[in-house]
Amino acid sequence: DQQVKQNSPSLSVQEGRISILNCDYTNSMFDYFLWYKKYPAEGPTFLISISSIKDKNEDGRFTVFLNKSAKHLSLHIVPSQPGDSAVYFCAATENYNQGGKLIFGQGTELSVKP
Amino acid sequence: NAGVTQTPKFRILKIGQSMTLQCAQDMNHNYMYWYRQDPGMGLKLIYYSVGAGITDKGEVPNGYNVSRSTTEDFPLRLELAAPSQTSVYFCASSDTGTGSEKLFFGSGTQLSVL
Repeated sequence: DQQVKQNSPSLSVQEGRISILNCDYTNSMFDYFLWYKKYPAEGPTFLISISSIKDKNEDGRFTVFLNKSAKHLSLHIVPSQPGDSAVYFCAATENYNQGGKLIFGQGTELSVKP
Repeated sequence: NAGVTQTPKFRILKIGQSMTLQCAQDMNHNYMYWYRQDPGMGLKLIYYSVGAGITDKGEVPNGYNVSRSTTEDFPLRLELAAPSQTSVYFCASSDTGTGSEKLFFGSGTQLSVL
């Protein structure tokens, strides 16, 4: 039972355009959501997060939107850069006090073309 | 800063063999985690520890054991390796373990069981 789903295995965008990565979840008890970025042969690195009490969080070129009623979140990257090419994982946690017990999606591989 | 260090980076095991994946962090973090990532899948939590001497099971603990004798080290033991344990293993750490706190990941150990 996949509680966190990223239905697009890959996404290709032109440099300078917007990248939108999507994530759906089924567990209404999730109260914190995170995005991690992973380059080949490296471990994931934290990108941005959002609490379930918010609907938007912004950090530079990265914005995460949360729609609780639809159980959907998205990551927007504007403008996209070639260095953003990586695998992006959406993750969620049910208990704020057990933040490391994350449920991950399958990942979306983003390719930003020059 | 070394951060989270995993050894070895690659390993091939025969069915039934045993091995220990090493993980060390130099950030004085209390919380440490072991995740595995199968091809095309998200990361799944194997075991975690909230401090020296304290460990607990994650989502997929069968076939693995852990110990936490020091704050710095969190080895993962595979007994009687099986092909289903072919995966990339990531160790991670965090300071407080809360939902808003990012995890720091090692670069991973790629394990093949043949």
